Amino acid sequence: EAGVTQFPSHSVIEKGQTVTLRCDPISGHDNLYWYRRVMGKEIKFLLHFVKESKQDESGMPNNRFLAERTGGTYSTLKVQPAELEDSGVYFCASSQLGPPSGNTIYFGEGSWLTVV
Amino acid sequence: GESVGLHLPTLSVQEGDNSIINCAYSNSASDYFIWYKQESGKGPQFIIDIRSNMDKRQGQRVTVLLNKTVKHLSLQIAATQPGDSAVYFCAENPGGSYIPTFGRGTSLIVHP
Repeated sequence: EAGVTQFPSHSVIEKGQTVTLRCDPISGHDNLYWYRRVMGKEIKFLLHFVKESKQDESGMPNNRFLAERTGGTYSTLKVQPAELEDSGVYFCASSQLGPPSGNTIYFGEGSWLTVV
Repeated sequence: GESVGLHLPTLSVQEGDNSIINCAYSNSASDYFIWYKQESGKGPQFIIDIRSNMDKRQGQRVTVLLNKTVKHLSLQIAATQPGDSAVYFCAENPGGSYIPTFGRGTSLIVHP
């Protein structure tokens, strides 16, 4: 069974440009999450989809970030325009719809973004 | 605010030793805890989890201990191997939430 896949694995863009990250969750997983880790810091929650609906986007840093999950399958995270502080690793994760807690989530390998 | 954190950012051990990685949490509503391992260039990988109605759970070479009284979580790795070198994150799920909250991580370095 394929795991969570992310594309691109690495991206270097200039400040002010746009980048779109894609995530394909594990097949059948209704829950999809985006997280970000800035160098040396904790993994921070960005947002959570249940199917195509945004369940919680409280972690999105500002309106330069836009996440979509049309059709409830893959998701995209667009950063426009990118700023230097957006550099980091963007992780996507997915899980099956389960009990309120104890829902094991599986991570992709991350999209490593560098803004120069 | 409430947070998940780690006591030590880096832990160095010799191959074959046992490793103990600690984590403090402060959200008393958390009822589920997970340890993740992140190897260089990869995403976090699930290692082991524990629910708040337990105080110990064992896996293959790993044991997680939960002390709810002092809000402390630990990951014990037996006979540490070079392949165990990675950053280890603890994460908590507050009751009713699907979303784990992560701490900063501890870097485990295993010397041959």
